[in-house]
Amino acid sequence: DGGITQSPKYLFRKEGQNVTLSCEQNLNHDAMYWYRQDPGQGLRLIYYSQIVNDFQKGDIAEGYSVSREKKESFPLTVTSAQKNPTAFYLCASTAGTTANYGYTFGSGTRLTVV
Amino acid sequence: LAKTTQPISMDSYEGQEVNITCSHNNIATNDYITWYQQFPSQGPRFIIQGYKTKVTNEVASLFIPADRKSSTLSLPRVSLSDTAVYYCLVGDNGNTGKLIFGQGTTLQVKP
Repeated sequence: DGGITQSPKYLFRKEGQNVTLSCEQNLNHDAMYWYRQDPGQGLRLIYYSQIVNDFQKGDIAEGYSVSREKKESFPLTVTSAQKNPTAFYLCASTAGTTANYGYTFGSGTRLTVV
Repeated sequence: LAKTTQPISMDSYEGQEVNITCSHNNIATNDYITWYQQFPSQGPRFIIQGYKTKVTNEVASLFIPADRKSSTLSLPRVSLSDTAVYYCLVGDNGNTGKLIFGQGTTLQVKP
C-alpha cells in the first residue's frame, strides 16, 4: 500500500541537541510538507518542497531545516535554535503543486524536550 | 490566502446527522474546498472535496452554495468513532500548495 511513513513515532531531545525527523513517501507525489501542531491548535506550516532540490520556508521556519535530495524523502531537522520544539510534527504530500490536490498525511512524530 | 471560519466545537448524539458549516468569504475562483478529519495523535485524513453544488461519497456530503462563500459538511448518522476534529480548508491560488489550517471544529459524539 502506498503512503507516508514518519519515524520515529516518539522522540526525546535534550536541550541544545539537533534531531532529525524522517518522512518517506512511496506515492510518487511531487510536493511534500512539514507541519507542526501544538495541543488544541491547528497545523502550522514549517517548510514545503514542490520539487527535488528545492524547498521554501513556511510560516514558522525559524529553528528548522530541511533537505529534498530524493523525491521520496523530506527529512526535517529541529535545531538547537528552535526554542520551543516540543510538539506533534506531521509530514504530508500531494500529487500536484496546488492545494486543490488532496493531501496525504503521515501518522506523525511527537517530539519532547527533556 | 483564503481564510476559513468554523465553529470551535459541536456536540451530537449517536445516530444523528451532523452539519458543520464553514465560511470562506475570500475564496478564489480556482479554489476547491476540502475537509479533513483528525483523531488525537494522528495525521489528518481527507474526507471530501468539492467546487460547487453538492458532492457525496461513502463518508459524507458537502454542500456548496452558488456564491461559494460557505460550505457545509454533513455527516449522516454519526457514531462515537466520528468524535474528532474537522478542518475546512480552501486552497490558495498562488500555486504553492500551501494549506492554511485553522483550529477546526471539535465534534463530540455522545452515546
